[in-house]
Formats: sequence, C-alpha cells, structure tokens
Amino acid sequence: EIVMTQSPATLSLSPGEGATLSCRASQSVSSNLAWYQQKPGQAPRLLIYGASTRATGFPARFSGSGSGTEFTLTISSLQSEDFAVYYCQQYNKWPRTFGQGTKVEIK
Amino acid sequence: QITLKESGPTLVKPTQTLTLTCTFSGFSLTTSGVGVGWIRQPPGKALEWFALIYWDDDERYSPSLKSRLTITKDTSKNQVVLTMTNMDPVDTGTYYCIHTQEFYPFDAWGPGTLVTVSS
Repeated sequence: EIVMTQSPATLSLSPGEGATLSCRASQSVSSNLAWYQQKPGQAPRLLIYGASTRATGFPARFSGSGSGTEFTLTISSLQSEDFAVYYCQQYNKWPRTFGQGTKVEIK
Repeated sequence: QITLKESGPTLVKPTQTLTLTCTFSGFSLTTSGVGVGWIRQPPGKALEWFALIYWDDDERYSPSLKSRLTITKDTSKNQVVLTMTNMDPVDTGTYYCIHTQEFYPFDAWGPGTLVTVSS
C-alpha cells in the first residue's frame, strides 16, 4: 500500500497570505495525484488532478506541482473561502490512498 | 450534472451488517470506464477509500476490509449497494458515495451519510 504523508498538519495564515502544502508518497505515483478541499460539514471536492490540472470551478490562485513522490499545492493569496482541510490522494495503484490532511486555518 | 446520494441506517449495533445504497444520476454505470465507490471518514479523521465497482463488474476493495465487504450494482435502478459485515464501533463515521473513471480520481461525491455503531 502506498502511504501518503502530508505536511504540515496545520497551517495558520492570514487572508491574503500564500500557502504551500506538501504531500509525499512512499513510492512513485507518477502524476496520478489529486488534491481535495473539504469544508466543515461538507463532502470533499476534487480540486487538482494529474498533479497540476485544476478541476472545474476552482480559481487560478490554486496550483499544483510535482511528480513521482513529491507534490505541492500552492494557494497564492488566501481568500476567506479557502480556509479548509486539504487532502492529497494517489490513484496510481490499488488501494487508493489519502494523506492525513492539512488544515489551513485563519491566524 | 452528476449527482449521488447515500441512504441507509444511521445506527447499527456491533456485529450487525450495514447495507448502504448509492443512488445516482447524470451518468450510466454501463458506460465504459465508469466506476462508483465508497469512501468513509471517522469523526475528525482522514478519508479512507474502501470499495469500488466498475461498469464491467470489476470490483476493487481495500485489503484491510475486503473480507467484510460486498459491492454490487443495479444499472436499471442507477444504484450501487454496499454491504459491510460484522460492524464495530471503530466503523463509525461518514460514508460517501463517489463517481470515478478509469485512471482518474474521485470527481463527484455524495453529501455523505453518518453511520454510528453502538449498542
């Protein structure tokens, strides 16, 4: 099973600041890496797939990068609606696995 | 527009079998490459994928739960049914139904249903 490790667990930032979230895979997942955004009481939403392709409905301030085992989600300037928990997930091999999440909270 | 919705009991007793139904619209589970599956999330914890069925009846299960799971589809009703045997309090959480396609992530989610396992 591929283990996904996210860091940091919590990111405390102010609106307007930039955020950098990291995700590491225990073995290569090529570019088969997705990011999801989850707000309290809601289902997760697909945010990024193919490591760097934004899903429908998300603005350009969200960007993803990386391949192999190291991945990054960058939010260029945090808006109030961006404070949420973000999960990475690999879909290169079975079983599909998620990281433990990074909470982006208001400082 | 793809929509999915989970239904089933909100409370089950330890050792009982859980049956959840996912009813979907906006796509067909007879279309090549399409899959419907399940992900769960214990309160305050991370997401865990554990079951999926593809259009061609290919079934995928999490190894840690495989012995307890069965996933089936009814294409005439646009439904996928999950059964999980021998429920335990650690199985408490929100259960999500998801849509996917081969070589893609989970691109549509149901709102989720909270299942509590308690005597």
